[in-house]
Amino acid sequence: GAGVSQSPSNKVTEKGKDVELRCDPISGHTALYWYRQSLGQGLEFLIYFQGNSAPDKSGLPSDRFSAERTGGSVSTLTIQRTQQEDSAVYLCASSWGTQTSGNTIYFGEGSWLTVV
Amino acid sequence: ILNVEQSPQSLHVQEGDSTNFTCSFPSSNFYALHWYRWETAKSPEALFVMTLNGDEKKKGRISATLNTKEGYSYLYIKGSQPEDSATYLCAGTSGTYKYIFGTGTRLKVLA
Repeated sequence: GAGVSQSPSNKVTEKGKDVELRCDPISGHTALYWYRQSLGQGLEFLIYFQGNSAPDKSGLPSDRFSAERTGGSVSTLTIQRTQQEDSAVYLCASSWGTQTSGNTIYFGEGSWLTVV
Repeated sequence: ILNVEQSPQSLHVQEGDSTNFTCSFPSSNFYALHWYRWETAKSPEALFVMTLNGDEKKKGRISATLNTKEGYSYLYIKGSQPEDSATYLCAGTSGTYKYIFGTGTRLKVLA
């Protein structure tokens, strides 16, 4: 079906506000990733979901960040009390599975977050 | 956990020039190497997945090679065109779900 869909495309928020970023993965993909890229940095792993297994949250930078995936499909990344250093593009990706990391992961267009 | 490095960080080439850039990774615990092209305001697009030493993949004017023993991959673009302007990302994996990305090479092709 359609590719990975993310919303919003762009978000400008005031420091201290909460934001929610949404990801709708490719239908049938069991694996879902969140990455972010800050200015001048590489893609940074945030969190990984696989089916009904417990997510790998090891990349979340602080307890202000949380994510959930409902029904094994749509995922929401929430950032509480946003800080200027949270400004980045947040990319969601999905893939068929995890048994080998030779699988291609498919990215959305990203949510560009600016905290002012 | 892999540490993946890319060079150069950015480069400008003239239309018609051929160019190449490098992705380096630790040769131990290597499983697969992925190349992506990321154009502004679009989603990163998968180019190649390579796993075997000596692998060579080609897609149009773009090709890539893999040397797992020395821990590097080269991406080549032959006869660069303005539409090739993008950031080229590589990612290494060590057999798990974690894809470790480099910082990318930003290519600008001047008409």
